[in-house]
Amino acid sequence: DTGVSQNPRHKITKRGQNVTFRCDPISEHNRLYWYRQTLGQGPEFLTYFQNEAQLEKSRLLSDRFSAERPKGSFSTLEIQRTEQGDSAMYLCASSPVTGVDEQFFGPGTRLTVL
Amino acid sequence: KQEVTQIPAALSVPEGENLVLNCSFTDSAIYNLQWFRQDPGKGLTSLLLIQSSQREQTSGRLNASLDKSSGRSTLYIAASQPGDSATYLCAVRDGGTSYGKLTFGQGTILTVHP
Repeated sequence: DTGVSQNPRHKITKRGQNVTFRCDPISEHNRLYWYRQTLGQGPEFLTYFQNEAQLEKSRLLSDRFSAERPKGSFSTLEIQRTEQGDSAMYLCASSPVTGVDEQFFGPGTRLTVL
Repeated sequence: KQEVTQIPAALSVPEGENLVLNCSFTDSAIYNLQWFRQDPGKGLTSLLLIQSSQREQTSGRLNASLDKSSGRSTLYIAASQPGDSATYLCAVRDGGTSYGKLTFGQGTILTVHP
């Protein structure tokens, strides 16, 4: 297993368009997290899945954002009607339920909204 | 609400120096603390994880300590090298919850010049 993967790595879109990002966690990691990072800041938590259940959402996750993990494996994050303020790096992380709860991050998807 | 602060915001040192990065957090009831490295435009690489019951962890030239009662952690880098240049992020996972969201500091930008 090569770690957490994310696609696409970069996305440029026009304001008002919808975008979808994908995250493939480390296999057999039950926990999956999405974070958002803006320039010069640390990542901020968006949402958390344990298997297919979305158990926690940040207030940062407005109604334009939706995340799914339909089969408890990969996850998607969709942003509808993008705004310039959505421009950021979107990071995905996974961790196992048992053992040391260490989070492993993917390379991120860089979103630019024009 | 947990808040994490990292000092200094930026650090520039000559190759070979030993250095210390500082992290403080406001709520001492944490589950664990992780130190990450982030290269420009990339995802996060986990460096060290310290459980709340531990005082320190070591990996190669890196040593991280944790003083939970005072809300502080330090990352010590021995014999710094130009390849250590990156942003270093500290993140805490709060206790008292079964969900593992991390709260990050803003990071310390480290530059090691030859």
